[in-house]
Amino acid sequence: GDSVTQMEGPVTLSEEAFLTINCTYTATGYPSLFWYVQYPGEGLQLLLKATKADDKGSNKGFEATYRKETTSFHLEKGSVQVSDSAVYFCALRINTGNQFYFGTGTSLTVIP
Amino acid sequence: NAGVMQNPRHLVRRRGQEARLRCSPMKGHSHVYWYRQLPEEGLKFMVYLQKENIIDESGMPKERFSAEFPKEGPSILRIQQVVRGDSAAYFCASSPLSPYEQYFGPGTRLTVT
Repeated sequence: GDSVTQMEGPVTLSEEAFLTINCTYTATGYPSLFWYVQYPGEGLQLLLKATKADDKGSNKGFEATYRKETTSFHLEKGSVQVSDSAVYFCALRINTGNQFYFGTGTSLTVIP
Repeated sequence: NAGVMQNPRHLVRRRGQEARLRCSPMKGHSHVYWYRQLPEEGLKFMVYLQKENIIDESGMPKERFSAEFPKEGPSILRIQQVVRGDSAAYFCASSPLSPYEQYFGPGTRLTVT
C-alpha cells in the first residue's frame, strides 16, 4: 500500500545549525510529495511540494528533492532559526487519488 | 480570506456520549476531507465529501462514525457512543478542486473520559 516513513523526533538544534529530516515513501502509483509544518496551536500549512521525480521543492529556506531511485524526499535547511520550531509532516498523494498519506511527524525545537 | 475553521478546538466527552465536530471550509472550497491523528501516529484519512455527497469513506470506521456536508452550513463529523480509543486530534481540510492542494484547519482534540 501507500505509506510514508519519516525520521522520529524530537529533534533539538541550536540556531544556525543544519537541519535534515528524513522521509521515505512507498507508493503504488505516481505520487506527489509534500512537506507540511504545524506551528503550536495551528493547523498544518503546506511548506513545499514536488510533483515528479527530480523536482526540488523550496520555500522559506527549506528544500526537498523528489528522489525516485531512493524513494525519498528528505527535508533540509542550511541554517535554522528559533521560529522554525514546529512539527514537520511528510506526505504523499497519488496523483489519481483523493487522500494524503502522512508520516508520524517530527518535532523540531531550535534553541538560541 | 479566512482559513479552514474547526470547532470546538477541544472537546471532552464521557464514554457513551456523542461527539460532533464541525468544519467550515475556506471560502469557495466545495471539497472537504477529514483526518484523524491518534497519539504518536500520523494523520490518517477518514472521509472525503463534496456538498451533499460522500465521495470516499474508505477510512471511516464502519460503526458509530458518520459525516455530512450539507448544502448550507459546515461539515459535521459525528461519533456516536464514544469510547476511549476515539480520543485523538481530528483535522479537517478543504480544497477548491480534487485532487489538489489541501488546506488544513487547526484540528479538534477529542478526549474521552
